[in-house]
This record gives sequence, structure tokens and C-alpha cells, in this order.
Amino acid sequence: AQSVTQLGSHVSVSEGALFLLRCNYSSSVPPYLFWYVQYPNQGLQLLLKYTSAATLVKGINGFEAEFKKSETSFHLTKPSAHMSDAAEYFCAVSYSGNTGKLIFGQGTTLQVKP
Amino acid sequence: GAGVSQSPRYKVAKRGQDVALRCDPISGHVSLFWYQQALGQGPEFLTYFQNEAQLDKSGLPSDRFFAERPEGSVSTLKIQRTQQEDSAVYLCASSLETSAANTGELFFGEGSRLTVL
Repeated sequence: AQSVTQLGSHVSVSEGALFLLRCNYSSSVPPYLFWYVQYPNQGLQLLLKYTSAATLVKGINGFEAEFKKSETSFHLTKPSAHMSDAAEYFCAVSYSGNTGKLIFGQGTTLQVKP
Repeated sequence: GAGVSQSPRYKVAKRGQDVALRCDPISGHVSLFWYQQALGQGPEFLTYFQNEAQLDKSGLPSDRFFAERPEGSVSTLKIQRTQQEDSAVYLCASSLETSAANTGELFFGEGSRLTVL
């Protein structure tokens, strides 16, 4: 079955430091890949998506993710953490031929320390 | 408003009660999804509508769960004879697109938090 694994349910980073959130998927076919962010008491918001164009994807607010087929990964990075980045982050996949249904990982909670 | 609206935001039910959760998608959005998010977990797919047609209900956990979108806009998720394991946040999302090949952004509502006592 297709699945998404996010290693590390909690990540803590100092303000201004780089952070990386890990996402690996299991699939034999190329997926579409997404990162969503969920702030407290808000709905999920799309950060960025990979849909078979450039493997390095740039999203809003300085977020980036790189699709690495050989590693079946789509890790999310940001060069400098801001206090407002504290949230829960979800990696998700979708596949050609389906309805756009997303399969989500378990999420990673990012804590930003001053 | 311009976003996906869900109601009620919070619902407490006694075990065995029926509940109905409503979703108002963004106007004109063809696709509508329901997800269930248990505490500390990622959202899990429940069901999908394209306009009024329910094309995928493979994620509904039991026949106590029922969803409808009769006019292709507002959708209702109904849970009959609620059980404690039904406690979760129920998320609704809508999209202009109808296939993964053209997958754009899913717009999520804030969710309905159901607590079954």
C-alpha cells in the first residue's frame, strides 16, 4: 500500500537556524508530493507541491523541498527559522489516475526556540 | 466567506447518539473530500465527491458513516450510533480540480472536533 513516513514527530530548532523536516514515500510509480502546514485552530494550508516539473520546489515564506527519486524522499527545509514557523507540518502524496486524494504522513511538530 | 466553512466546530455526543457535520466548500469547487484526523495523527481519507457524485467511499470506517452532497455544493457527514473511537477532528477540503494529474491546492476547513463520551 502507498504510504508516507515522516521521521521525527517533534523537531526543535533555534530561531534563525536552518531546519529540515523529513518525508519518505513508498511507491513504485512517480507520485505528486505536497507539504501542508497546520497552525493551531486553523485548517491545513499548502506550502508547496511537486508535480513532475523541477525537482527543487520553492514555496511560500522561504520554504523549499527537493524530490529525490533515488531516495524516495521529499524533505522540507528552510534556511532560517522564524517564531511564526512553529506549527505542525504534514507531507502528503497523490498519484496519477486517482481523484486527487491525498495520503498524509503522521505529521511533524516544529518548535522554534528564541 | 471565501474559505471552506465547517459546522459545528465542536460537538460533544454521548455514545450511541447520531451526529451530522456540515461542510460548505468554496463556491464552484467541483471536488470535495472528507478526512478524519485522530489526535496526534495525520488526516486519513474518508470519502470523495465530484459534484454530487460520491466517487470514492473506500475510507469510511464502517456502515455507521454516511456522507452526501445532494446538490453538488454543501456536504454532510453523518455518523450513526457514535462510538468513542469516532472521537476525532473531521476535516473537509475542496478543490477546483478533479484529478491528481491536475492537482492544485486542496483548501481545508478548520474542522469539526467530535468528542464521544
